[in-house]
Amino acid sequence: AQKITQTQPGMFVQEKEAVTLDCTYDTSDQSYGLFWYKQPSSGEMIFLIYQGSYDEQNATEGRYSLNFQKARKSANLVISASQLGDSAMYFCAMREGIEYDMRFGAGTRLTVKP
Amino acid sequence: GAGVSQTPSNKVTEKGKYVELRCDPISGHTALYWYRQSLGQGPEFLIYFQGTGAADDSGLPNDRFFAVRPEGSVSTLKIQRTERGDSAVYLCASSLTGGDGYTFGSGTRLTVV
Repeated sequence: AQKITQTQPGMFVQEKEAVTLDCTYDTSDQSYGLFWYKQPSSGEMIFLIYQGSYDEQNATEGRYSLNFQKARKSANLVISASQLGDSAMYFCAMREGIEYDMRFGAGTRLTVKP
Repeated sequence: GAGVSQTPSNKVTEKGKYVELRCDPISGHTALYWYRQSLGQGPEFLIYFQGTGAADDSGLPNDRFFAVRPEGSVSTLKIQRTERGDSAVYLCASSLTGGDGYTFGSGTRLTVV
């Protein structure tokens, strides 16, 4: 069963504007972690932000924030003040309970327009 | 090392051949993961090592795939009797204990012709 769902195959945003990338997840565990990674065309996977299921506040890292809505099982990534260098694939991932392996969604390709 | 190193960066092989892909994790990282990423898709979990042992190999697609980590550092992913459907980027990641974040390597692009 699909555990991580990213419903937006592609997104466009104007430079300097904010954009939200959607992610919903499915788990029966009470303890889990949610991650966002960026993958530029070079192929490397770059860790952006992490949210633990027990964290009461939304995670933030610079221009990245995670809009965590536990009841809706959503963990959307918000990028503020988009830059041309933000153009890349973005993957949402989840690690459940005591498991250490991470499962990824299909990704969203973000294109920032000048 | 400073980062996760994967070799080769590219591998082209003929259908039916055997290939080995190598991953050298960050020094001291006990957890090591292999993923496969097909074009346009997210990484698909293959196997996870904690130390020398495979803690979870549930993602290996079939018995043609095998991975080892004999000394708890370098890992080798082995694919026998390669098929065209095995063509993908194979990503390796490591983490300090397993419960923290991953650092990914740059991947090995495998092409089976």
